[in-house]
Amino acid sequence: EAQVTQNPRYLITVTGKKLTVTCSQNMNHEYMSWYRQDPGLGLRQIYYSMNVEVTDKGDVPEGYKVSRKEKRNFPLILESPSPNQTSLYFCASSFSVGSSTDTQYFGPGTRLTVL
Amino acid sequence: AQKVTQAQTEISVVEKEDVTLDCVYETRDTTYYLFWYKQPPSGELVFLIRRNSFDEQNEISGRYSWNFQKSTSSFNFTITASQVVDSAVYFCALSGGAEGGNEKLTFGTGTRLTIIP
Repeated sequence: EAQVTQNPRYLITVTGKKLTVTCSQNMNHEYMSWYRQDPGLGLRQIYYSMNVEVTDKGDVPEGYKVSRKEKRNFPLILESPSPNQTSLYFCASSFSVGSSTDTQYFGPGTRLTVL
Repeated sequence: AQKVTQAQTEISVVEKEDVTLDCVYETRDTTYYLFWYKQPPSGELVFLIRRNSFDEQNEISGRYSWNFQKSTSSFNFTITASQVVDSAVYFCALSGGAEGGNEKLTFGTGTRLTIIP
């Protein structure tokens, strides 16, 4: 089954404790991206990657890191989480950019609470 | 800077009524892409449609239809004969760039649609 998986789905942590949210897709997609969803703000892009070893900042990259060492994985790293990073996080992927028929797939979401 | 405005925060309609969700966008790009997503109460995001800026034809998919008008920078979404299963938050989104595609996807703040049985 074609899918994007995220782990963990729920996480409660404390300020300053490094954490990683994993994202994996099994569709051989080139493009992957991370978003955060906050009430009244919709979804905002954190980082994206157009292929292995190619990453770029989205609209709200501060406080986050990403890496793309393998095509299927795109982990989101919070080196020193703070309460303002409490949010619902989504990973997404698509086969390539620039295709009018391409479908974007989203993961199920990770709800993070930073105390 | 790109911007997407969904002025309707919440809409409630009685089942079987038609409903239109508005989306207005701003971009300086000549090539751009518009999207609609559905987020049901379970929380996942479901891709509904992608439209490029050169294709102004209206799209119909079952009870769903989309009206893209470049002249008014709008990409409105209509659900005909609404059903309870249509209850969800709907997001409009925009991406742009000469290379096209998905870079810097900008979402609106969403419209919460409630279908009353």
